[in-house]
Amino acid sequence: EVQLVQSGAEVKKPGESLKISCKGSGYSFTSYWIGWVRQMPGKGLEWMGIIYPGDSDTRYSPSFQGQVTISADKSISTAYLQWSSLKASDTAMYYCVTGTNYGDYWGQGTLVTVSS
Amino acid sequence: EIVLTQSPATLSLSPGERATLSCRASQSVSSYLAWYQQKPGQAPRLLIYDASNRATGIPARFSGSGSGTDFTLTISSLEPEDFAVYYCQQRSNWPRNTFGQGTRLEIK
Repeated sequence: EVQLVQSGAEVKKPGESLKISCKGSGYSFTSYWIGWVRQMPGKGLEWMGIIYPGDSDTRYSPSFQGQVTISADKSISTAYLQWSSLKASDTAMYYCVTGTNYGDYWGQGTLVTVSS
Repeated sequence: EIVLTQSPATLSLSPGERATLSCRASQSVSSYLAWYQQKPGQAPRLLIYDASNRATGIPARFSGSGSGTDFTLTISSLEPEDFAVYYCQQRSNWPRNTFGQGTRLEIK
């Protein structure tokens, strides 16, 4: 069974750094892309970018280029999403997702709250 | 960037009725369009991929159609569990996928 298990909720202050994780199991982690999706409170879904864990090729949507870093450690089947300096506007639910061509499998989401 | 516009923003229907949701792309996405369902507190679930193919385990009352710039998700007879938010997504310019803003399907 394909599973994506994300790290737990985080509460941070503006300016702090953060790295959240997404661990894949039940499939060949290096054979499929992993994407990240943001959902701000009460809002819709936003595609942030993807990584191919096999070669770490990473692509970002224009709105998120330079704002976050996507990475992966294939030795432990885990993808990451990180911020170097959080802003209040980063408060959102973040989902990791994978599949053949679309989002067949989703993580449970990580809620990130940024507040002073 | 390809913009997807969903309509209506909110659809109020009763169980047993037929639901028709629309997604329009700012440029052709061929058939590279998917539909997702999201219920409160849950991750989205893939319903339809490549415009008209049901994902694994999705009931036959869900169907998708369209190509190019105009797409439709139809739910033939609404069940109580179908009331949720629905999103379309294109992968035509992979990996710069985009989502529509969503249609909320609520009980009338």
